[in-house]
Formats: sequence, C-alpha cells, structure tokens
Amino acid sequence: QAGLTQPPSVSKDLGQTATLTCTGSSNNVGYQGAVWLQQHQGHPPKLLSYRNANRPSGVSERFSASRSGNIASLTITGLQPEDEADYYCSAWDSILTIWMFGGGTKLTVL
Amino acid sequence: EVQVVESGGGLVQPGGSLRLSCAASGFTFSNFWMSWVRQAPGKGLEWVASIKEDGSDKYYVDSVKGRFTISRDNAKSSLWLQMSSLRAEDTAVYYCASIHLGYWGQGTQVTVSS
Repeated sequence: QAGLTQPPSVSKDLGQTATLTCTGSSNNVGYQGAVWLQQHQGHPPKLLSYRNANRPSGVSERFSASRSGNIASLTITGLQPEDEADYYCSAWDSILTIWMFGGGTKLTVL
Repeated sequence: EVQVVESGGGLVQPGGSLRLSCAASGFTFSNFWMSWVRQAPGKGLEWVASIKEDGSDKYYVDSVKGRFTISRDNAKSSLWLQMSSLRAEDTAVYYCASIHLGYWGQGTQVTVSS
C-alpha cells in the first residue's frame, strides 16, 4: 500500500518561511484533505491542521495549511529553533479504505 | 481535557501474542473512528488499523490482516488491539489515536524478539 509523498528533508534559516508539501491523489488528499502532524524526537505526534486546513486551538498562527487539488501544503513562517522536527501528512483513502501517511519531512532550522 | 492512554506493550517472542489497550476520556468516544498507528525505531508513522464509531467496520493495513484485531467498547471508552503471530517487524511504538481529531496517546512499546 503506497503512501503519500513528502520531501525527506527541508532546511531553512532562522526566521525564514518553510513550505512543506504532501502529494497524494484524488482518492485521498484530493478527497477530504490531509491532516498535518508535528513530531519531536521521543514524543507523540501533535496535530497542526485538520483535514479542512483549520488550525486546532493552541497551535501557533505561524503554521498554516492549504490544499490545491491533490497536493496539501504546510507553511511555517518566522521559523524558530523549536520548529525543528519531523512533519507528517495523513489522509484517508476512500478507495483503498486505509489511512495513508507520508514518509515525513525532517525540518532543520539553521 | 482529552486524555488517551495506551497500555499492554512489552517484550514478546516471535509467534507470540499481545493485547494493547487504550483508555480515552475528555471527548465523546462513541462518536468517532479510532485507530492504531505504529512507529518502528527510527522510522515514520505507519497506520495499522481503524474502527468505525459503532464498531461495525474495521480496516487494516495489509501486513497485519489476519493477525491483528481491533475492537472497542463505547460504554467504557476503550479501544483494543489484539496482536497474534507477532514478527520482528512488528516491533514499534504503538499509538492509539483519533487521527482526524488529532488525539494521540503517548504510545506503548512492543518489542518482538527471542
């Protein structure tokens, strides 16, 4: 069962903007959108964005999600050292009837 | 406050069985799908299984079909994962989660080794 496609790594300077992408198909990302998760080493995932791209209460406004067709994106503005983490997208596939995860993007803040 | 707490992990020999439990509180458990997601050492997140609100439908990743069974008791706000015929490649931290709501537990470690 194939997963969603994310770039393995992204590096940006402190204070810059990073945009992470998640490519799927019309059966998953394009169907109901994708959630975005942040995971720091040794900790469970934390939700950054619901499938409709809304931000949960308590999540910084520096994180914003969007979708264009079958590609979901997470934009992080004003990068901070604590943003250095692994980021995952996930979407329900309506045909395969499985939750799909991307392989994760490791964000490095220089 | 939402709480999701897993238990039941441990060390088991290949071919053995283990039952993971998940206790949820702080949200209307009976209204939502629930899932198990695992993460092998140094690897990404892998969805394992999901169950509908009323338990009527269950879904599994191919690699665990026929070996794992997901179940729930809405009266107890509890979720389980019965794992049998365990293999070394099942070694991972197992998370109980409502993926689309963003509720995740701290995870429970399952190690399959002789």
